[in-house]
Amino acid sequence: RKEVEQDPGPFNVPEGATVAFNCTYSNSASQSFFWYRQDCRKEPKLLMSVYSSGNEDGRFTAQLNRASQYISLLIRDSKLSDSATYLCVVNGGYGGATNKLIFGTGTLLAVQP
Amino acid sequence: NAGVTQTPKFQVLKTGQSMTLQCAQDMNHEYMSWYRQDPGMGLRLIHYSVGAGITDQGEVPNGYNVSRSTTEDFPLRLLSAAPSQTSVYFCASSYSSLNEKLFFGSGTQLSVL
Repeated sequence: RKEVEQDPGPFNVPEGATVAFNCTYSNSASQSFFWYRQDCRKEPKLLMSVYSSGNEDGRFTAQLNRASQYISLLIRDSKLSDSATYLCVVNGGYGGATNKLIFGTGTLLAVQP
Repeated sequence: NAGVTQTPKFQVLKTGQSMTLQCAQDMNHEYMSWYRQDPGMGLRLIHYSVGAGITDQGEVPNGYNVSRSTTEDFPLRLLSAAPSQTSVYFCASSYSSLNEKLFFGSGTQLSVL
């Protein structure tokens, strides 16, 4: 089992739609969780951190479920500019160390006009 | 403020050649790392450093060397390039080892023939 797993998509949605991505992780000792956004042929950039209580930033909402070991990202009122790959990132990994970030393979979102 | 500067942007090597990818940051970050990104594999950690003089291996360290003589610089050396090292390489830095936020360089597209 991969340490961080995401549905690769693509998710093709119309403008204005609500879309949700899930990500599962295998290391129960993980303590930090993030969503990054990566545009085509560009570097990843932090979209938002994910906190235990859940957090919202405008049209974006992130949630963490420690019991089931997954995090989610909800995007409301999708814009064309939201088209990108969304990377789930979790700390933890090799030998139980928690100071390394593990990236999921990413979920591709394509928002259609 | 330049952030993370990564050079070169593109490089073509022949099998067996060596080269160094340069990475520099001007944010006084302690944590620096190198990732490679391949289709369907996500970003995989090659090597990382938690401060000057301290480096450690990530998930895919074979064929790569690093050193951290200063806080600012973290070069990645390919000792004898192989076609399997064809990839996009990203350098990243963050203030703390727990990676509250990673700042990425713009990436290097490396092709090994």
